[in-house]
Amino acid sequence: AQSVTQLDSQVPVFEEAPVELRCNYSSSVSVYLFWYVQYPNQGLQLLLKYLSGSTLVESINGFEAEFNKSQTSFHLRKPSVHISDTAEYFCAVTRRGGNQGGKLIFGQGTELSVKP
Amino acid sequence: ETGVTQSPTHLIKTRGQQVTLRCSSQSGHNTVSWYQQALGQGPQFIFQYYREEENGRGNFPPRFSGLQFPNYSSELNVNALELDDSALYLCASSSQASRGNTEAFFGQGTRLTVV
Repeated sequence: AQSVTQLDSQVPVFEEAPVELRCNYSSSVSVYLFWYVQYPNQGLQLLLKYLSGSTLVESINGFEAEFNKSQTSFHLRKPSVHISDTAEYFCAVTRRGGNQGGKLIFGQGTELSVKP
Repeated sequence: ETGVTQSPTHLIKTRGQQVTLRCSSQSGHNTVSWYQQALGQGPQFIFQYYREEENGRGNFPPRFSGLQFPNYSSELNVNALELDDSALYLCASSSQASRGNTEAFFGQGTRLTVV
């Protein structure tokens, strides 16, 4: 079985400051890793994903995450946040292999609050 | 290309009643997964439907059931509603491939309140 732990339930930060949202996972099999963002009263939007290849993955809006297999982590970072980044962020995993797509195991979420 | 749509957006039901939630998958996707997101929690996997058959189930009782139709849309049915069933129900569509995984696209969710 897989599990995901997001180490911070809330992260307050000032605008233009850097931020790191931490995610650790546990799994006896190989996994794919995802970060999703949820704005108030909305569904989930995929922010970025790690499937294979380079362990550093980037999103179009400046976020990046690095897969660290030895530490079983997939932390999300942004060098300079904006007010519009205020949202709930979820780390998720799914087993590698056919027929597993869409069966995501989510962490509890981290509420990022960006203050002016 | 249409996205994932869910209906209704909000719903209030009484304990003991039954409810049906609906989801239209994204064009080209053949798989629908349902999640329950309680307030302040991460989404929990309920089950997945692929080619009209259940393809995996999370830790939810049998009173949670589903259907997938030939056009790949799906329904989630919950019988004998309990207060703890109050949550945001999310539908996600994806496309099963012979290898690897594709990302799941989520709908806006249905907010169910059981009173």
